[in-house]
Amino acid sequence: IAGITQAPTSQILAAGRRMTLRCTQDMRHNAMYWYRQDLGLGLRLIHYSNTAGTTGKGEVPDGYSVSRANTDDFPLTLASAVPSQTSVYFCASSENGGVDTQYFGPGTRLTVL
Amino acid sequence: AQSVTQLDSQVPVFEEAPVELRCNYSSSVSVYLFWYVQYPNQGLQLLLKYLSGSTLVKGINGFEAEFNKSQTSFHLRKPSVHISDTAEYFCAVSNTGGFKTIFGAGTRLFVKA
Repeated sequence: IAGITQAPTSQILAAGRRMTLRCTQDMRHNAMYWYRQDLGLGLRLIHYSNTAGTTGKGEVPDGYSVSRANTDDFPLTLASAVPSQTSVYFCASSENGGVDTQYFGPGTRLTVL
Repeated sequence: AQSVTQLDSQVPVFEEAPVELRCNYSSSVSVYLFWYVQYPNQGLQLLLKYLSGSTLVKGINGFEAEFNKSQTSFHLRKPSVHISDTAEYFCAVSNTGGFKTIFGAGTRLFVKA
């Protein structure tokens, strides 16, 4: 069982470019999440989806968009990248929300120059 | 609004010594509490969680945590650490039916030989 896969593993991107980070899970979980991890700040929620077709904003949604066309995939798009979006991005999923354990992918390290 | 404070950013400790990683939270509603561990260059994985019932929660790898409602704390403890416990530890809080888990900034545990 792969769990959660993320692609790419790392990416260097010029400011102003569009970028989509991919996330796929094979656990048939209803809920999926995108976090960014920055030194000294821990993980901050960008967007989440409680079920296919439904998304919601987290703590730091500005500059990011998501879609949830099906259960397995939850891509994160940066429409016009800025240097402050340099971070490590983690995708996670859980069976539902609240009490359920979140399972994390290996992360994508993004550098915006 | 919920928040999580991890009181120590780094904790150095010698192998086989006991360790306590401190976590305080604030919330106006009933909460669920989690500890996750992140090994170098990996995603997070669940150590343990408190949902209800006994305030002492046992997790994987010999870790345990105690929920103290009056002190709004959820400190993580291990009686004897190993080199392999070197990692970053995150305390997190969620609430019933919610999808917004709030993570603390993390505590880096460094176990020395």
